[in-house]
Amino acid sequence: DTEVTQTPKHLVMGMTNKKSLKCEQHMGHRAMYWYKQKAKKPPELMFVYSYEKLSINESVPSRFSPECPNSSLLNLHLHALQPEDSALYLCASSQGAGYSNQPQHFGDGTRLSIL
Amino acid sequence: DAKTTQPTSMDCAEGRAANLPCNHSTISGNEYVYWYRQIHSQGPQYIIHGLKNNETNEMASLIITEDRKSSTLILPHATLRDTAVYYCIVRRGGGSNYKLTFGKGTLLTVNP
Repeated sequence: DTEVTQTPKHLVMGMTNKKSLKCEQHMGHRAMYWYKQKAKKPPELMFVYSYEKLSINESVPSRFSPECPNSSLLNLHLHALQPEDSALYLCASSQGAGYSNQPQHFGDGTRLSIL
Repeated sequence: DAKTTQPTSMDCAEGRAANLPCNHSTISGNEYVYWYRQIHSQGPQYIIHGLKNNETNEMASLIITEDRKSSTLILPHATLRDTAVYYCIVRRGGGSNYKLTFGKGTLLTVNP
């Protein structure tokens, strides 16, 4: 069991759909992350939020739109995705600025399939 | 952040200690060594991290050489559930450095 909860666990969507991935943590962490993991590859960082503000965007296409409504929630809005966007999307959290040596804790991800 | 080199795969017998090596010869003084593992179909799980001294927790021990150019993760009594990809990551601590860059890792297979 992880302390970072991601929903849904699986998502199948068409290229014209709009959907959202949700991530929640109640550890009081102030940094939250989205990673993308393709099959048989390591996770790759997409976005970092620090104190609810976008801190890092790793040149992610605009069809992925992150949102951090409060310190416990992180969303990833999806629109007009491509088949190559099929992957495991992982959320993580950590304590935040000044504690960046502290580890990140991951959820079990949302497995996304684009038809 | 410094790069790391790990063997692609390793085998270990159940009940024996698993020793996973990691080379990070370009590590600098303020960079920490982190170990994560990823069991199939799950998210990465934090195991342990350290700067200079050896560290131990309920999951594993981390041995860092005196020159800090390499480290070893030790699982003292491996079980079948320890079969996973193990990632060694070096990352600068302090400030607002949030990036965690995963390499290819080591696939540890624990055999009965």
